[in-house]
Amino acid sequence: QKEVEQDPGPLSVPEGAIVSLNCTYSNSAFQYFMWYRQYSRKGPELLMYTYSSGNKEDGRFTAQVDKSSKYISLFIRDSQPSDSATYLCAMRGGADGLTFGKGTHLIIQP
Amino acid sequence: DSGVTQTPKHLITATGQRVTLRCSPRSGDLSVYWYQQSLDQGLQFLIQYYNGEERAKGNILERFSAQQFPDLHSELNLSSLELGDSALYFCASTSGGITDTQYFGPGTRLTVL
Repeated sequence: QKEVEQDPGPLSVPEGAIVSLNCTYSNSAFQYFMWYRQYSRKGPELLMYTYSSGNKEDGRFTAQVDKSSKYISLFIRDSQPSDSATYLCAMRGGADGLTFGKGTHLIIQP
Repeated sequence: DSGVTQTPKHLITATGQRVTLRCSPRSGDLSVYWYQQSLDQGLQFLIQYYNGEERAKGNILERFSAQQFPDLHSELNLSSLELGDSALYFCASTSGGITDTQYFGPGTRLTVL
């Protein structure tokens, strides 16, 4: 079993829809959770960062962490074609390297 | 723009060769992380340096090594290259605090022929 599981997709939704992206993890030591967006062949760009269970909102993005279930989510409201990208969940226990999910390829249809 | 720079953008070389990838962290950041991204393995942590010292190791092969210099830039050295080493190599930087998040550079695309 991999430490972080993420459905690779592709996930295709119409413009304006609410998108839900998810990851599960097995390592209880993970305390810090991030979502990155990666456009093709570019560096990952940080979207959301949280280190407590619950919700965190930033504009159209909401990150949700449930440590008891070892489950994290990213919601995108009013999705736009420019949101089409690969979304990577990432996590770590301390000030060490990140463990990433494989990424979900998201397509927003105009 | 994350403020992290990497050179070169692209590198094409042959099996058995050695290459050096360079990373300059964001201004003020002391910690540099190296990652490899391949189609089958995804993004994998290789190694971390903090203020010139190695701090953590991930899935780094013995053929690979890294260092961080007094001006805080870092180099990743890949030797005895194999076809399977073809990948995107990213570095990321932070100030080093435990709650800090990592900002990634644009990456170096390595192709081994």
